[in-house]
Amino acid sequence: NAGVTQTPKFQVLKTGQSMTLQCAQDMNHEYMSWYRQDPGMGLRLIHYSVGAGITDQGEVPNGYNVSRSTTEDFPLRLLSAAPSQTSVYFCASSRGTNQYGYTFGSGTRLTVV
Amino acid sequence: DQQVKQNSPSLSVQEGRISILNCDYTNSMFDYFLWYKKYPAEGPTFLISISSIKDKNEDGRFTVFLNKSAKHLSLHIVPSQPGDSAVYFCAAPRMDSSYKLIFGSGTRLLVRP
Repeated sequence: NAGVTQTPKFQVLKTGQSMTLQCAQDMNHEYMSWYRQDPGMGLRLIHYSVGAGITDQGEVPNGYNVSRSTTEDFPLRLLSAAPSQTSVYFCASSRGTNQYGYTFGSGTRLTVV
Repeated sequence: DQQVKQNSPSLSVQEGRISILNCDYTNSMFDYFLWYKKYPAEGPTFLISISSIKDKNEDGRFTVFLNKSAKHLSLHIVPSQPGDSAVYFCAAPRMDSSYKLIFGSGTRLLVRP
């Protein structure tokens, strides 16, 4: 049981490049989210999904796209990378009830130069 | 307004003593609160939660207290161990969308041997 798997762990992009951060979970969780963590700001929600085929925006969605074609996978696409997107990105999944919280992946550290 | 605030960026305690991490929130309608622990280069892991109908929840060395009148919660770790050294985030599900978590900015705990 792998939990939430994120790839890659590290990535360096040039401004204007695009890329996809991968996220997969094997717990059959309905809810999946993408967060970014920046110093002194905690974790901020980028996009989330409540099931296959259903996605919506979080607090900081600009510059990112998501899709959810299967229960297991929730990729995050950076359309045209900017230095402001330098951050650590976490994918998370949940069975959907508050008291259990979310299970997080180990993160992707992205640097945009 | 839905915010969760951790006003102490860091805390240092001696091994064996009590660690108290604090969190304030702005909206009395929050339903649940959660604490996450994060080690460097790892994703956050769920630690403990508390429902707004309770004022205390205990799990081993970890106890969370909720003071609704003060809109304040705290995480107590007794006794503190060096392995507890990590960043601790408090979080609450948004009232309009319970699977969206709002995170505080985190408190870095150092437990000195």
